Amino acid sequence: DAGVIQSPRHEVTEMGQEVTLRCKLISGHNSLFWYRQTMMRGLELLIYFNNNVPIDDSGMPEDRFSAKMPNASFSTLKIQPSEPRDSAVYFCASSVTGNNSPLHFGNGTRLTVT
Amino acid sequence: KNQVEQSPQSLIILEGKNCTLQCNYTVSPFSNLRWYKQDTGRGPVSLTIMTFSENTKSNGRYTATLDADTKQSSLHITASQLSDSASYICVVSAGAGNNRKLIWGLGTSLAVNP
Repeated sequence: DAGVIQSPRHEVTEMGQEVTLRCKLISGHNSLFWYRQTMMRGLELLIYFNNNVPIDDSGMPEDRFSAKMPNASFSTLKIQPSEPRDSAVYFCASSVTGNNSPLHFGNGTRLTVT
Repeated sequence: KNQVEQSPQSLIILEGKNCTLQCNYTVSPFSNLRWYKQDTGRGPVSLTIMTFSENTKSNGRYTATLDADTKQSSLHITASQLSDSASYICVVSAGAGNNRKLIWGLGTSLAVNP
């Protein structure tokens, strides 16, 4: 099992550009989480899917952010247009449904918006 | 307000020494508490999970305790190794099913020096 795979590992872009982050879930997992991590705020949940359906998107900062799950094993997080304050590490995590199921994280995408 | 606070913010110890990290929470309704280890440049990895009825759980040199009455948890690391250098994050799960919320602490940054 290769674990949760995120791409790219690093992204540097200019303000106003579109950014797309990608995530491949662990086979058999049906819950998908997108998190953003900064030094000041730690890990913040952006959106949570269960069985491909968005359950909680209250953490999505604003309309510039959107996330999709076109199938059970893949998800994208898009920022359009990007702003410098979006600079952070973005993590994707997957799990099986269940209160005691651990989240399995990818190694993140470090986004820098200049 | 659901909140998880960790202390100390950072800690430096010598290889071979023991240390204890603290986590205080105000989360309701409590479901479980989990400790994650996050190496630099990687995603968090689950170490232990504790439910309401459990007050201690070990994973190798890591031992977690939970006092549900005082809403406190600790993570004790025995005979520290250089590879223990990482951020340790306490997460409390509130609610259940699709209403589950994970409340993340900001972590304790541990440096183990030779």
